[in-house]
Amino acid sequence: GAVVSQHPSRVICKSGTSVKIECRSLDFQATTMFWYRQFPKKSLMLMATSNEGSKATYEQGVEKDKFLINHASLTLSTLTVTSAHPEDSSFYICSARVTEGQRVETQYFGPGTRLLVL
Amino acid sequence: DAKTTQPPSMDCAEGRAANLPCNHSTISGNEYVYWYRQIHSQGPQYIIHGLKNNETNEMASLIITEDRKSSTLILPHATLRDTAVYYCIVRVGGYSTLTFGKGTMLLVSP
Repeated sequence: GAVVSQHPSRVICKSGTSVKIECRSLDFQATTMFWYRQFPKKSLMLMATSNEGSKATYEQGVEKDKFLINHASLTLSTLTVTSAHPEDSSFYICSARVTEGQRVETQYFGPGTRLLVL
Repeated sequence: DAKTTQPPSMDCAEGRAANLPCNHSTISGNEYVYWYRQIHSQGPQYIIHGLKNNETNEMASLIITEDRKSSTLILPHATLRDTAVYYCIVRVGGYSTLTFGKGTMLLVSP
């Protein structure tokens, strides 16, 4: 399957600072990437859809000014958590979509980034 | 509204087949059945998907009933590393997003 990487894998920051998370598709080009968030013992929740060269589409309840998404190239999307607070501590996971014949799209996920805001 | 129903947990002995069921009684004709799994503290891993025919790959087999209202993911020889939460998701094969439910926690024991 296609490979998606994330960096960093783990980050600890102070409250009020901003944190940038990178998501890369390593062996394919992705016009669309997705950002999910997962709290302990909960399922993944979609935050936003990132489209190369255009603005991201955010899910209801997700603050676009707090979670800045940039998809500047076909292999890189970034998520910046601005003015992070302890309640933003979570597991952030990106994914990229791959077309696999007959117009069927499959999503492949990165390994995730664990964010802890102190 | 939940599109799929899965048991919250299942146990399986190492080396035996693990059969994970999923009900999707409201599935539409153009919706595919996808299976992912998530090992603790990792991102979800794609396993397999199908529309109406049974599918097999190096990881698992997917059996879809003729009426498409349910399916079963089969791990033929479960190992300890197969312990994970398994998600059954139905979606249109084109450009719709993946929506994760609670999945089934599969525990493979020695």
